[in-house]
Amino acid sequence: QKEVEQNSGPLSVPEGAIASLNCTYSDRVSQSFFWYRQYSGKSPELIMSIYSNGDKEDGRFTAQLNKASQYVSLLIRDSQPSDSATYLCARANTGKLIFGQGTTLQVKP
Amino acid sequence: DAGVTQSPTHLIKTRGQHVTLRCSPISGHKSVSWYQQVLGQGPQFIFQYYEKEERGRGNFPDRFSARQFPNYSSELNVNALLLGDSALYLCASSLVGREVFFGQGTRLTVV
Repeated sequence: QKEVEQNSGPLSVPEGAIASLNCTYSDRVSQSFFWYRQYSGKSPELIMSIYSNGDKEDGRFTAQLNKASQYVSLLIRDSQPSDSATYLCARANTGKLIFGQGTTLQVKP
Repeated sequence: DAGVTQSPTHLIKTRGQHVTLRCSPISGHKSVSWYQQVLGQGPQFIFQYYEKEERGRGNFPDRFSARQFPNYSSELNVNALLLGDSALYLCASSLVGREVFFGQGTRLTVV
């Protein structure tokens, strides 16, 4: 079992829809989780961090963490074509980040 | 404020050669980490340095080494390059236990 698992996609949604990205992890000890956005040929850009159970909202983005079920999700409301990218889920482990392989999101006009 | 800066942005090397990649962290960040990202995969942890000491090492061969300088900048060195070392090398900086921010990366191609 991979430490952090994501569906590679692609996930295709129409413009204006809600995109739902999911991530599961295997380590019950992890406390910190992050979502990064990576455009093709670019480096990862931090968009959300979440440390406690529940929801955290920032603009059009909502991160959800459920430690009992060991999953993290990212919701993107009112999806725009500019949101088309690969979204990487990561958990922190003793100073390092462990990433999933990323989910490719395509937002179609 | 300037973000994490890396140099060079692109590099082409021949098998067997050596390469040095450089990184300057965000001002005030004392922790610097290096990651390797191959196409289609998430970044893989290589090293973490804090206060000039190695604090973590990923599953990479001894051909990979790094160091951190008194001004918290860092170098990643790779010896005896293999074709499989072709990847995007990412430097990241953070405050201890907080969010990690990546530089623009160095695209290394080994031919």
